[in-house]
Amino acid sequence: KAGVTQTPRYLIKTRGQQVTLSCSPISGHRSVSWYQQTPGQGLQFLFEYFSETQRNKGNFPGRFSGRQFSNSRSEMNVSTLELGDSALYLCASSLGFGELFFGEGSRLTVL
Amino acid sequence: AQSVTQLDSQVPVFEEAPVELRCNYSSSVSVYLFWYVQYPNQGLQLLLKYLSGSTLVKGINGFEAEFNKSQTSFHLRKPSVHISDTAEYFCAVRNDYKLSFGAGTTVTVRA
Repeated sequence: KAGVTQTPRYLIKTRGQQVTLSCSPISGHRSVSWYQQTPGQGLQFLFEYFSETQRNKGNFPGRFSGRQFSNSRSEMNVSTLELGDSALYLCASSLGFGELFFGEGSRLTVL
Repeated sequence: AQSVTQLDSQVPVFEEAPVELRCNYSSSVSVYLFWYVQYPNQGLQLLLKYLSGSTLVKGINGFEAEFNKSQTSFHLRKPSVHISDTAEYFCAVRNDYKLSFGAGTTVTVRA
């Protein structure tokens, strides 16, 4: 059974640009969550989608957005990038309860 | 709101020695508790979980944890570590649709 797949794995952007990250969940999983990991703030919850509906959102500015498609694949977008957005962005999928299964992450560097 | 405190930020340990990573949580409702491990440049891998039932939970790679409701703790243990256990370990509590993570404990195993 394939795991959670995130693309791209690494990317470099400059301030002011925008970025889109993609996540394909484990087959059959309808819930997709996104987390930001930084050395200073640790792991922070961004948002969670279930069957194309956002069920929960963390305390991030509106520059961070996401969506989920009918096949459960999800994307997150960050607009007007700032230096502080440099982080490892982790996607996780689940059945909607119980444990989360994480992907390898997308490492974003903002210059 | 639920929160997680990992009491040790770094734990150095010799190979074949036992290790214990401490985790305390705060919650006013029933909890689901997890331990994840993160190896360098990788995502999070589930070590074990407590959802209900027996308070002693066994996970992968010889790890186990004990849920203690009265002390609101969920400490992780391994009787004999290997060099390959060098990684960062995260305790997490599930609240509705998201995980709240501790700050992490870096375990360094030395020969």
